[in-house]
Amino acid sequence: KAGVTQTPRYLIKTRGQQVTLSCSPISGHRSVSWYQQTPGQGLQFLFEYFSETQRNKGNFPGRFSGRQFSNSRSEMNVSTLELGDSALYLCASSHRLDGNIQYFGAGTRLSVL
Amino acid sequence: TQLLEQSPQFLSIQEGENLTVYCNSSSVFSSLQWYRQEPGEGPVLLVTVVTGGEVKKLKRLTFQFGDARKDSSLHITAAQPGDTGLYLCAGASNNDMRFGAGTRLTVKP
Repeated sequence: KAGVTQTPRYLIKTRGQQVTLSCSPISGHRSVSWYQQTPGQGLQFLFEYFSETQRNKGNFPGRFSGRQFSNSRSEMNVSTLELGDSALYLCASSHRLDGNIQYFGAGTRLSVL
Repeated sequence: TQLLEQSPQFLSIQEGENLTVYCNSSSVFSSLQWYRQEPGEGPVLLVTVVTGGEVKKLKRLTFQFGDARKDSSLHITAAQPGDTGLYLCAGASNNDMRFGAGTRLTVKP
């Protein structure tokens, strides 16, 4: 079974731009969560989508948004990029029936210049 | 403030040594997971523990879940350079998952 796929793997943007990251979950998984990982803050929860609905949201500004499609694929958007948004963005899918264990993709490394 | 506190934050040891890292919380979890993350990659699930007092062994790795289901430990025997990475614990409760900041382990040959 294919794992979680995130695209692109690497991205370079400048301040003020916007970016969209994509995540394809493991087949059969309907829950997709997004995390931001930085050396200083560790793994920070952004939001979770389940069946196209946002179920949980972390403490991030409204510039961070996401959505989930009917095939469970998810996208995350960050508008008006700031230097501090440089991070590894990780997507994880889970099957809520197995205790919501998270299976992660390799991440998208975003650098904001 | 991290819901899950991991210690130590950094650990550098020689190949062949034993080590233990800890994951502590004031909250009770229905399950707890340990992940290992290598540079440039996403975390990879190592084990899930569910029952208080549970001990699981994965080759040279031994995982223990505290009796009260608030804490966990990971013990590595005869560490190898391939064990180098960031070890993350994550606690699940009410379908929410929260992560610790991790222990960064370096095993020198």
